[in-house]
This record gives sequence, structure tokens and C-alpha cells, in this order.
Amino acid sequence: KAGVTQTPRYLIKTRGQQVTLSCSPISGHRSVSWYQQTPGQGLQFLFEYFSETQRNKGNFPGRFSGRQFSNSRSEMNVSTLELGDSALYLCASSFPRGTTGGSYNEQFFGPGTRLTVL
Amino acid sequence: QQQVKQSPQSLIVQKGGISIINCAYENTAFDYFPWYQQFPGKGPALLIAIRPDVSEKKEGRFTISFNKSAKQFSLHIMDSQPGDSATYFCAASKDNYGQNFVFGPGTRLSVLP
Repeated sequence: KAGVTQTPRYLIKTRGQQVTLSCSPISGHRSVSWYQQTPGQGLQFLFEYFSETQRNKGNFPGRFSGRQFSNSRSEMNVSTLELGDSALYLCASSFPRGTTGGSYNEQFFGPGTRLTVL
Repeated sequence: QQQVKQSPQSLIVQKGGISIINCAYENTAFDYFPWYQQFPGKGPALLIAIRPDVSEKKEGRFTISFNKSAKQFSLHIMDSQPGDSATYFCAASKDNYGQNFVFGPGTRLSVLP
């Protein structure tokens, strides 16, 4: 089974620009989560999508947004880039889960997109 | 209350030794505690995970010990190998709705040959 793929792998942008990152989950996975990883803040949760709906959102400004398509592929967008947005952006997918607890779904991470803002 | 603390920040172990990484949490609503391993240039990969209804889980050379009353859990890597050299993250989540994981800051493990 193919793993989680993220494109592009590397991206260089300048301040003020916007960027769109793409994530293709493992086939059959319907939950897609996005994380930002930086040396100073570590791994921070951005948001999660399930069946094209945002289910959870982390503590990031509105410049960070995302969406999920009917085939479960997801994109995240960052507008008005700032220097501090330079980071590794990770996408993780997991098998569908219901609205109640009971099963613990393993998250499979992609290799990430390394974004550098100049 | 959403924080997960992790120590040490870095760890150097001789080949064949035991590597121990500790994590602590405050939110008693957390009920799923995974450990991830990350190599440079790669995304994190799940190593082992535990739920609070058990105190220990072992998979090969990797063991999680869980202390619910102390709100602490730890990863033990037995017979550490140079190939284990990576960054390890503990995490916690509430298995109620969605995949909102809180990660520890990470431990960089170096296993000397």
C-alpha cells in the first residue's frame, strides 16, 4: 500500500506570498491531519479533516486554512506568509473512525513539505 | 493543561544499553499515548502506543510503561542499536472525536557503536 504523499517536498517563498501544500492519504483513509514542525515549537497540530469537514482545529491564525476533497486528498493554504512560517509541514492520515470513541486509529505521517520563507 | 512534557532533550547511549525517555501530562482526559520515531528528512513513524487501562506494553525491544496516577509514561529501548539513533516523540490524545494529538518536544537519541 502506498504511503502518505505530500507535494511539493520543498518550497521557497517570500514574505507576503501565499502557498498551497497538497497531501494524498493512504488509500481508504478518510481522516487527514496537518501539523507544523519547527525546532523551537516542535510538532503542533493545525487541523484535521474527515469526510470533507474540518473536525478539529489547533491554535493557529486564520492565515492557515485547509480543505479536503471527496477523494480524501487534502490541501492546506497559508496566506500572507511570514518568516516564522518557515517549517516542515506534515500531513497524517488515518483509517475512518466514528463520532464516538472506542478505537484508536494510528496516524501515518507523510515525509512533509519543507517551507522556507525569505 | 494541554502540554506534554518530555525528558531528556538528548540522550547518548552505548550500543546494547537501555534508552529511557520519560513523558508527563496534565490533562486526565487523555486516553491514548503513542510514541513516534523520526529520522532526519522523514515524517514521524508510530513505534508503539498504550491506553491507560494497562500499565505496560512491550513490542520487541520497545516497552511503554504507564503510570496513570502519576500521569507519566516512558519508553524503554532495550539492547539499543546505532540504527535506533533518531528523534523520539511522545504524544497524547483524547479518543473522543478526531485526531488532535499533543506532542512532546522530542528526545534526540544517539546510540554509539
